[in-house]
Amino acid sequence: DADVTQTPRNRITKTGKRIMLECSQTKGHDRMYWYRQDPGLGLRLIYYSFDVKDINKGEISDGYSVSRQAQAKFSLSLESAIPNQTALYFCATSRDRATQPQHFGDGTRLSIL
Amino acid sequence: GIQVEQSPPDLILQEGANSTLRCNFSDSVNNLQWFHQNPWGQLINLFYIPSGTKQNGRLSATTVATERYSLLYISSSQTTDSGVYFCAVGFSGNTPLVFGKGTRLSVIA
Repeated sequence: DADVTQTPRNRITKTGKRIMLECSQTKGHDRMYWYRQDPGLGLRLIYYSFDVKDINKGEISDGYSVSRQAQAKFSLSLESAIPNQTALYFCATSRDRATQPQHFGDGTRLSIL
Repeated sequence: GIQVEQSPPDLILQEGANSTLRCNFSDSVNNLQWFHQNPWGQLINLFYIPSGTKQNGRLSATTVATERYSLLYISSSQTTDSGVYFCAVGFSGNTPLVFGKGTRLSVIA
């Protein structure tokens, strides 16, 4: 089983719909992250969480919200999806210090029509 | 703002050739990581290397923190090395990683 699991792997939906992407991990890491990847732009940070009670906005948080339900679970929501949120979304985890490797899930490919 | 620049943006190699990918960054770092994104989109952590040199098989990486750059070496390239290579840096304390835009590598048989 993968250490960092993202669901769903693929999703097609319509403008205006509410969407939740889920991430769970079995690595026991405190820190979790959500990124989006657009062609030619690399990865950009949406939100991150250093522990269950800590949530921080990243570079591009507008239009997104998150929930850290437990140490192992971190969900990303799009309250009212719009087409320019079409992208590849990644969840990542790391240990409880900044100087630790990050480990990524396999990504969720989201298309908004 | 924080700048992470990778070069070249695109690289095409014949199988068996060697290559060097570069990552320049604009400030002192306490965290630098190299990732490989394979053609299926999966991101694999290759190295955690804020300074010094590490090797893992045909891949090695060197970071010269005082001169603000890191190099990823790929020797005897194989078609399975194709994909996008990302450099990501952390500049201080608990700041999250900032990613470069990547180098797209294509290895042809």
